Amino acid sequence: GAGVSQSPRYKVAKRGQDVALRCDPISGHVSLFWYQQALGQGPEFLTYFQNEAQLDKSGLPSDRFFAERPEGSVSTLKIQRTQKEDSAVYLCASSRDSRGTDTQYFGPGTRLTVL
Amino acid sequence: GDSVTQMEGPVTLSEEAFLTINCTYTATGYPSLFWYVQYPGEGLQLLLKATKADDKGSNKGFEATYRKETTSFHLEKGSVQVSDSAVYFCARGSARQLTFGSGTQLTVLP
Repeated sequence: GAGVSQSPRYKVAKRGQDVALRCDPISGHVSLFWYQQALGQGPEFLTYFQNEAQLDKSGLPSDRFFAERPEGSVSTLKIQRTQKEDSAVYLCASSRDSRGTDTQYFGPGTRLTVL
Repeated sequence: GDSVTQMEGPVTLSEEAFLTINCTYTATGYPSLFWYVQYPGEGLQLLLKATKADDKGSNKGFEATYRKETTSFHLEKGSVQVSDSAVYFCARGSARQLTFGSGTQLTVLP
């Protein structure tokens, strides 16, 4: 497709459930990023992949959060044993290369609500 | 750590008014600077960027200049339109992540 796509767009989970959020980056983009955006705030970095390698996961808030990109294209963010404080919009972005000057292109996000 | 401080909103202007949204950043390293916009019901879109000191980014009538001496990247537009109503985010970038400000909600009234 022409842009970054994410699925599902909306997810409601009961506290304690596991969830998996999918990101399809722009074809051929080397870099992939996950961000978390709380209501009324700017996005906050979670993790970064260069191809299939997860080079930075310093923003993951706890060991309940796990991300993968096994073939260097599609990525999945998994949250185990969801908590209410995990409620947020999860944004995926991709960029063509791995330089700091590259533009990151964002998907529409997945809005996660934990009850 | 790296941070971006952005003018708090909300900002309400009349159509054709002049817009300034202030943004300052921490000067660690040589970051690229970005303005992203989020229209109602839509995802984040790049508005403009600048990759080194004194660069000016521009798009759709918006401009911002990378000021190293004041560590600023203020967004300006000479005459806003109703269609500019959105949330604007300033961000500084490294190769591995973007650091965003908290966003400024702009409403332009006809």
